[in-house]
Amino acid sequence: DQQVKQNSPSLSVQEGRISILNCDYTNSMFDYFLWYKKYPAEGPTFLISISSIKDKNEDGRFTVFLNKSAKHLSLHIVPSQPGDSAVYFCAPQSGYALNFGKGTSLLVTP
Amino acid sequence: DAGVTQSPTHLIKTRGQQVTLRCSPKSGHDTVSWYQQALGQGPQFIFQYYEEEERQRGNFPDRFSGHQFPNYSSELNVNALLLGDSALYLCASSLLDRSGSNQPQHFGDGTRLSIL
Repeated sequence: DQQVKQNSPSLSVQEGRISILNCDYTNSMFDYFLWYKKYPAEGPTFLISISSIKDKNEDGRFTVFLNKSAKHLSLHIVPSQPGDSAVYFCAPQSGYALNFGKGTSLLVTP
Repeated sequence: DAGVTQSPTHLIKTRGQQVTLRCSPKSGHDTVSWYQQALGQGPQFIFQYYEEEERQRGNFPDRFSGHQFPNYSSELNVNALLLGDSALYLCASSLLDRSGSNQPQHFGDGTRLSIL
């Protein structure tokens, strides 16, 4: 039973445009939500997070939005750059455990 | 500033054998978590260690055990290896924030374990 779903396995965006990655979850006990990006042959790298008491958190080109009533969060990357091409994981936290989705592979084309 | 380091990077074992994977946390971190990532899946939480004790465990059998040492480094042990244990094993470290605010976990590059 998957508690975290990233329904788009892949996404292709042109350089300079906005990338929007989505994540849906079912467990209402999640209280801290993180996004990680992963390059091949490397471990996941922490990108940005949001607490359940907020609905938006921004860090440079990256913004995360949380809609608790819909159990949905999204990551916006503006403007997208070729170096952003990676697999992005949504990872809500319950207790001390991160619960990862299957990831969305983002390709940013020049 | 040294990040999370894991050893070995690759390992090949046969069914029924036992394996030990090692992890050194990021400098200044005191908490270590282990995750298993199968091909095409997101990482799955195995357990977390703090103050040399396991404080949360995911849905993994007792064949998976761990240890944390006084210097905060950690080992993951897997007994009676099965073909299905083939995966990338990731270690993550974090710092317990005593004010109660959440701190992100930082990952190493993992150990690729193959079972023949």
